[in-house]
This record gives sequence, structure tokens and C-alpha cells, in this order.
Amino acid sequence: DGGITQSPKYLFRKEGQNVTLSCEQNLNHDAMYWYRQDPGQGLRLIYYSQIVNDFQKGDIAEGYSVSREKKESFPLTVTSAQKNPTAFYLCASSPGRTLYEQYFGPGTRLTVT
Amino acid sequence: AQSVTQLGSHVSVSEGALVLLRCNYSSSVPPYLFWYVQYPNQGLQLLLKYTSAATLVKGINGFEAEFKKSETSFHLTKPSAHMSDAAEYFCAVLRETGFQKLVFGTGTRLLVSP
Repeated sequence: DGGITQSPKYLFRKEGQNVTLSCEQNLNHDAMYWYRQDPGQGLRLIYYSQIVNDFQKGDIAEGYSVSREKKESFPLTVTSAQKNPTAFYLCASSPGRTLYEQYFGPGTRLTVT
Repeated sequence: AQSVTQLGSHVSVSEGALVLLRCNYSSSVPPYLFWYVQYPNQGLQLLLKYTSAATLVKGINGFEAEFKKSETSFHLTKPSAHMSDAAEYFCAVLRETGFQKLVFGTGTRLLVSP
């Protein structure tokens, strides 16, 4: 079955540590996205990538980094510079054409203490 | 810039009652609008989308939405609520600039009581 996988489902880290969240898709989609979800704030775009080896900052990129070395993969690193990293992180992909919807993964809940 | 506003962070209905979730948009160009549903601790699933082909859009699970330009609205409805409809619903609009980026509303949690 085609889809988007995110691992792990739950992640716990100590403050000051970097952590990498995995996102893999087998939909052959060109574009991939990372969102952060906090209660009452909807989804906010962190980074997006239109094509391999290219990515752009979204609305809240500070304290995060990404890479896009393969079409199928778009890992997100939450660095120690992110002031409030505890959140639910969602990865999405789309074929890259304007009218197509985005397909979402199941999410990773990150807790930093 | 494009934006959407969802009125009501929580909506409660009884099973079998009409579901109405409100979404108003702001856009300087004809908008492309989406409704997504999120079940607890899961990702988002597309319910339906408006891409200017028809003002009444039918989606999955019996949901539909009507685009009303005069009211800048795209409200989501379902004639008869089911317990399984309990979830959070997000309205989104395609940004006018950039590459297929969506702007999401803050979400409405639908509670269904027996």
C-alpha cells in the first residue's frame, strides 16, 4: 500500500539534545512538507521541499533543519535552538501540482523535558 | 495573503443531528479550499476540496460543503451525525504565492453525544 510513514510515533528527549524525525513516502510525490501542530493553533508550516536537493523555509523554521537527498525521504531535525520543541509533528506530501491535495503521515509526538 | 477562520473551537451535536462546521476565508484571488479531518493522534485525511468546478462539493463519509463567494464562506455540513464523526476538522486555503502551500484554520473539534 502507498502511503507516508513517520517514525517513531512517540519520542522523548532531554532539553539540549538534537533529535531527528523520520518521514518516508512511497507515493512517488515530488513535494514534501513538515508541519507542527499545537493545541488551538492548527498546523504551521516548518519546511517544504518541491524537489530532491531543494527545500525552503516555512513560517516557523527557526530551530529546525531538513534535508532532501532522496525523493522518498524528508527527515526533520529539531535542534537545541528550538525554544519550545514539544509538539505533534506531521509530515505530508503532494504530487506537486497546484490543485492536488496533501497526503499526511500519522505524526510523531515529541516531548522534550 | 490568504487566510481562513473557523468559528467555534468546539461544536457539540447529538447523534442523528445536523452537523455544521463554519469556515470563512480571506483571499484576493479565487480561492482553492479544503476540509480535512483528524482523528485523535493521527494524521489528517482529506474530506473534500473546492477547485472552482462546482460550488457544492461532496466528500467522503457523507460530508459536503458549499462555496459561497458573497459570504466568503465554505461551511462543512452533514445531515445526520454519527458517533464515528467525532474528530477535529480543519479548513485550509491554498496560498496565492508559493508552491502548493496550504494555510490551515485553527480547527473545530466535533463532539457527538448518543
